[in-house]
Amino acid sequence: KAGVTQTPRYLIKTRGQQVTLSCSPISGHRSVSWYQQTPGQGLQFLFEYFSETQRNKGNFPGRFSGRQFSNSRSEMNVSTLELGDSALYLCASSLGQGSDGELFFGEGSRLTVL
Amino acid sequence: GNSVTQMEGPVTLSEEAFLTINCTYTATGYPSLFWYVQYPGEGLQLLLKATKADDKGSNKGFEATYRKETTSFHLEKGSVQVSDSAVYFCALFIGSGNTGKLIFGQGTTLQVKP
Repeated sequence: KAGVTQTPRYLIKTRGQQVTLSCSPISGHRSVSWYQQTPGQGLQFLFEYFSETQRNKGNFPGRFSGRQFSNSRSEMNVSTLELGDSALYLCASSLGQGSDGELFFGEGSRLTVL
Repeated sequence: GNSVTQMEGPVTLSEEAFLTINCTYTATGYPSLFWYVQYPGEGLQLLLKATKADDKGSNKGFEATYRKETTSFHLEKGSVQVSDSAVYFCALFIGSGNTGKLIFGQGTTLQVKP
């Protein structure tokens, strides 16, 4: 069974640009969550999608957005990039909404903002 | 608010040594508790979990007991191996349905030397 797949794995952008990251969940999983991981702030919850609807949201500015498609694949977008957006962005999937904390993580997309 | 505090790393041990990584939490309500592990270059993997007080989670020789009286969920292993070198995250899940989310500690890096 294939795991959670995130693309691209690495990318470099400059300030002011925008970026789109993609996540394909494990087959049959309907919930996708996104986390930002940085050395200073650790792992911070961005948002969760279930059945194409955002169900939960963390404390990030509106520049961070996401969506989920009917096949459960998800994308997140960051507009007007800032240096502080440099991070590892992790996607996680689960069978149902939240699944009581049992998440399956991808390897992440490492974003560097110059 | 809800939060998780882990002991700071890095923790450096020799192979076959005993491991303890401390984790305490603050939560309203009755959270489920988790340990996730992140090996170099990979995403997070669920290591073990406990859903109620006095439950013991165990996997791959690791154990942790949910202590409500001390609000703790310390991770232990009797004999570590070099392959256990990774970052360990304690986390709590509180809420249910569309209000639940995982809250992570800062992570503790474990280095095991031969």
